[in-house]
Amino acid sequence: SQTIHQWPATLVQPVGSPLSLECTVEGTSNPNLYWYRQAAGRGLQLLFYSVGIGQISSEVPQNLSASRPQDRQFILSSKKLLLSDSGFYLCAWSAYQTTEETQYFGPGTRLLVL
Amino acid sequence: AQSVSQHNHHVILSEAASLELGCNYSYGGTVNLFWYVQYPGQHLQLLLKYFSGDPLVKGIKGFEAEFIKSKFSFNLRKPSVQWSDTAEYFCAVNAKNSGYSTLTFGKGTMLLVSP
Repeated sequence: SQTIHQWPATLVQPVGSPLSLECTVEGTSNPNLYWYRQAAGRGLQLLFYSVGIGQISSEVPQNLSASRPQDRQFILSSKKLLLSDSGFYLCAWSAYQTTEETQYFGPGTRLLVL
Repeated sequence: AQSVSQHNHHVILSEAASLELGCNYSYGGTVNLFWYVQYPGQHLQLLLKYFSGDPLVKGIKGFEAEFIKSKFSFNLRKPSVQWSDTAEYFCAVNAKNSGYSTLTFGKGTMLLVSP
């Protein structure tokens, strides 16, 4: 069966510091991968998605970037964190090019920028 | 672009009460519809989904949802809630026929069930 991992689970970082959040998927090949940010009372906002290695699409312009160095690895980064980057970050995967595509979510990383 | 509206941000019910959470979407084409649930301290989990066929969809834990195309709605229902149903519920849609699914989520409804 497929599993999705995220780490770290919780992170407290100072403003201006760099960020690297990692997501990995097991048990599937060539998944579509997604990064979301969840803010209280605002639902989930799609940040980035990837349909293959090195292929990244951004949904909203911001202080963050994403990379996919390996098939089942998706990284969310920032060179300099802002206070507004605080939030709960979720990674998700779905099977590539299926007719009934469903996204499955990881446990999330809670980021607090001080 | 599609959008999703969930009518209630917070719902408080007593155990055994019936539940209906509203979800309306805005999109001109064919959509896939989902309800996800996030229990306290747990992953966001898929509750149920609709792709085609019977518009009444049954999911896990006794939940069901009905797709009404003419009303652009996908309301979630449960006849009798339990304390363990306390969670946040998210409705989501994605445009069909895309090569990948970019889900658009509603803002969520927090359900509190009192024993």
